[in-house]
Amino acid sequence: AQKVTQAQTEISVVEKEDVTLDCVYETRDTTYYLFWYKQPPSGELVFLIRRNSFDEQNEISGRYSWNFQKSTSSFNFTITASQVVDSAVYFCALGNNNAGNMLTFGGGTRLMVKP
Amino acid sequence: DTAVSQTPKYLVTQMGNDKSIKCEQNLGHDTMYWYKQDSKKFLKIMFSYNNKELIINETVPNRFSPKSPDKAHLNLHINSLELGDSAVYFCASSQDAAGVSFAYEQYFGPGTRLTVT
Repeated sequence: AQKVTQAQTEISVVEKEDVTLDCVYETRDTTYYLFWYKQPPSGELVFLIRRNSFDEQNEISGRYSWNFQKSTSSFNFTITASQVVDSAVYFCALGNNNAGNMLTFGGGTRLMVKP
Repeated sequence: DTAVSQTPKYLVTQMGNDKSIKCEQNLGHDTMYWYKQDSKKFLKIMFSYNNKELIINETVPNRFSPKSPDKAHLNLHINSLELGDSAVYFCASSQDAAGVSFAYEQYFGPGTRLTVT
């Protein structure tokens, strides 16, 4: 069975602070994919990043960066110099084709960035 | 142009009724999905469907049934609605490259908020 744990249910920071959202996953498969999605207050789900299990290279996209470590089964997400517009619920998700093409989502982390 | 659209955006109905939520994608994707997001924001896959196969999450009651008139549409039909069905339902789609659906990200619709009274 697959499982994704986002232990931080809520995080509150002040604008310009850096913040890291944790994601720990469990799977027995050697081939799998990891995702992060953002859900702003408006409710839509916005794709942020996808990583496959063979690519442990960290990625940076503007103020966003992701740290994938297979040794600890973690795929953490860092926002540098946070902004109020980053306030949202962030979801980490895990998928593999053995699970019938279904994504397993973590419980989400609500990030509140205060001015 | 909206990539994945859902109608209606809001749906209020009484227990016991039957209702449908429509989903359309104009991305040419092969696989479509339905998710349920409960009041605590927990997202759960309900169905995965392409023109070859329907995968059902075993925890989904059989009152829920996806119906696909064509590749661009996957509607969700719910029979005998219950209070616990109140949630936001998201439709999504993705490409399917030789069965490796997760080689591509899923694009989500705006969601349909269902309230059962």
